[in-house]
Amino acid sequence: GAVVSQHPSRVICKSGTSVKIECRSLDFQATTMFWYRQFPKQSLMLMATSNEGSKATYEQGVEKDKFLINHASLTLSTLTVTSAHPEDSSFYICSARDRSRGPLYGYTFGSGTRLTVV
Amino acid sequence: GQQLNQSPQSMFIQEGEDVSMNCTSSSIFNTWLWYKQDPGEGPVLLIALYKAGELTSNGRLTAQFGITRKDSFLNISASIPSDVGIYFCAGQRSYGGSQGNLIFGKGTKLSVKP
Repeated sequence: GAVVSQHPSRVICKSGTSVKIECRSLDFQATTMFWYRQFPKQSLMLMATSNEGSKATYEQGVEKDKFLINHASLTLSTLTVTSAHPEDSSFYICSARDRSRGPLYGYTFGSGTRLTVV
Repeated sequence: GQQLNQSPQSMFIQEGEDVSMNCTSSSIFNTWLWYKQDPGEGPVLLIALYKAGELTSNGRLTAQFGITRKDSFLNISASIPSDVGIYFCAGQRSYGGSQGNLIFGKGTKLSVKP
């Protein structure tokens, strides 16, 4: 149980275009999903917390207008990188929490999306 | 953002060797989690620790939640080639609100000795 599906796994886009990344919880409902960014050989840095039915909470330094997050249902959150630039190239990972297992349960991660902006 | 101090940064293993890594923090955590990440994949949960002093095993993996709640270690016994990858510790200060968000260590990269 507790499977998170992230799509696409890889995407290459032209500078100036927008890219949408989807994160789905397949066998549980996730009231909260998280979006991370990971640079090569670096750790995961939290970008934003996505709450179903409400606005996302962004970490300091993360541009809300560039990284649009929508969590319209209990099983789907999307991250849209708008007007992408080469410096947005990175590995983006989502995670979700299965609250039905209680507040102590750990987070489940998606398999990540490698974004390359050319 | 805040990160945990994880060491070592990298290590080389020979098949059959035991491996040990740890994470420390200046803050108290209520939960410690250990993840493994393979190249191009998301992290996979290995062990979760919820109580100070707790010692938990998952096959050849053993992790402990430090008694001060500011550290945790992960041991891998009798390592095998598929153990290579990057191991991350993650801590959670509380169970709700922004304090419930995970804070990650910088990772320990396990490689096979040439």
